[in-house]
Amino acid sequence: AQKVTQAQTEISVVEKEDVTLDCVYETRDTTYYLFWYKQPPSGELVFLIRRNSFDEQNEISGRYSWNFQKSTSSFNFTITASQVVDSAVYFCALSEASGNEKLTFGTGTRLTIIP
Amino acid sequence: GAVVSQHPSRVICKSGTSVKIECRSLDFQATTMFWYRQFPKKSLMLMATSNEGSKATYEQGVEKDKFLINHASLTLSTLTVTSAHPEDSSFYICSARDLVQAHAEQFFGPGTRLTVL
Repeated sequence: AQKVTQAQTEISVVEKEDVTLDCVYETRDTTYYLFWYKQPPSGELVFLIRRNSFDEQNEISGRYSWNFQKSTSSFNFTITASQVVDSAVYFCALSEASGNEKLTFGTGTRLTIIP
Repeated sequence: GAVVSQHPSRVICKSGTSVKIECRSLDFQATTMFWYRQFPKKSLMLMATSNEGSKATYEQGVEKDKFLINHASLTLSTLTVTSAHPEDSSFYICSARDLVQAHAEQFFGPGTRLTVL
C-alpha cells in the first residue's frame, strides 16, 4: 500500500524567511510519481511539480526548489524568501505509474507567512 | 495547463435531497476522472475512479449507491450524492487525466462545497 506522510501540520514563518516542507513516502512500486500541490484558501488545487522515481535531480523553479532523495524516500519542498502569497496548504502526493494512477495524498502542511 | 471545471461551485440543500455535481475537461479529452472528498482541514481522500463508458471503481468504504458516478463522455463525469445527509457535507473535488499524455499529471477542478442542512 502507498502512504505519504507530511509530519508538519502547521508552519509559520516571517516573510522573507526560507521554509522547507517535508514529505516522506512509502511504496512497493519501483516506478512511481511524486507531486506537490498548493491549495490556497479558495480551495482549488494548484499543481506545482511532478517527479518520476527515476529522476533524482533536484529542481528549482524561481523561489521554489525540490529535493528528491530516494535513499530516504523523501521529496522535500523549499520556498526561498517566502511571501505572504505563499500562505496555503501544501500537499505532497504519490501515484503508481501503471493502471489508473490514482493519487495518494499526504495530510498537508498549512503554511502561514507572517508579514 | 489543461482546464477542468466543476459545477456548481457551492450548493446548499435540505437533508434527503439529491445533488448532482458536474466535472468537465474543457480543452482536452479524459478517459479517466477521479472524485475526491475533503473534510475541513483534512486531506483529499479518493472516493472513486470514473472511466468513460464503464462503471466507476469505488474505494473501500465508499457507498456506490450513495455516490452515483456517471462518465458519459470523454469530457464529462457527474457525481450524484443521493439522499444527502449533513454528514455528506464536504468539499468535493474532481480531477481529469489527459487521454493523449500517458503518465501526465491530473488536472483538478476548483471543487464543489456541499452543505446539507
